Amino acid sequence: GEDVEQSLFLSVREGDSSVINCTYTDSSSTYLYWYKQEPGAGLQLLTYIFSNMDMKQDQRLTVLLNKKDKHLSLRIADTQTGDSAIYFCAEKTSYDKVIFGPGTSLSVIP
Amino acid sequence: DGGITQSPKYLFRKEGQNVTLSCEQNLNHDAMYWYRQDPGQGLRLIYYSQIVNDFQKGDIAEGYSVSREKKESFPLTVTSAQKNPTAFYLCASSIVTGLVYGYTFGSGTRLTVV
Repeated sequence: GEDVEQSLFLSVREGDSSVINCTYTDSSSTYLYWYKQEPGAGLQLLTYIFSNMDMKQDQRLTVLLNKKDKHLSLRIADTQTGDSAIYFCAEKTSYDKVIFGPGTSLSVIP
Repeated sequence: DGGITQSPKYLFRKEGQNVTLSCEQNLNHDAMYWYRQDPGQGLRLIYYSQIVNDFQKGDIAEGYSVSREKKESFPLTVTSAQKNPTAFYLCASSIVTGLVYGYTFGSGTRLTVV
C-alpha cells in the first residue's frame, strides 16, 4: 500500500541549513506537499511541487524531488528559532488520496 | 478572512460519553476531512466528505460518526465505542478537483478522557 516515511527528529544550530527528507511509495503521485505544524496548532501548507518538476525554490525554502528514487527533501536556509516545528511531507496519489508522513520534529538550537 | 474554525480548543470527556467536535469553514470548499493525530504517528484519516449529505469512512472510522448537512459544517462525534479517544483532532477542507493547493487546516481540538 501507499506509505510516506520521514525521520522523526532533526536538530540544527541557528543559522545553519536544515534538510528534511521524505520517501514515498506511489510512483504515480501527482503533487507532493510540505506542511508545517507549530505546537498546539493545525498544519500550514508551506509549499508544493508538481511531480514533473525537479526543484522548486521559494525564499528560504528549496524543495528537491527525485522521482526515480521517490525521494523528496525540504531545505530551509539560514534556519531560525521560529522554524522549530513539525514538518509533514504528503503525497497526492493517483486516485486523489492524500497520504501524510509521520512528521519530522525540527529543533533549532540558538 | 476565510478559514476553518474548530471548537472547542480543549475538550474533556468522561468514560462512556459521546462528545461532538465542531468544524466550520467559510472558504466555499466542497471537501472536508477529519484527521486524528497521535505523537509519532502523523495524521490518520477518520472520515471525509466531498459533497453535502455524503461522506466516506477513512482509515480509522470505528467509534466515530459525522454528518454533512451544510457545505460549511462537518461535525465529528466521538462515541463511547471509541476505546482510546485521547488525541489531537484536526479538521481540513479543500477544493475537490485538482488539490493543487493542498488542504486548509483548522487549529485543532485536543480531546482528553478523564
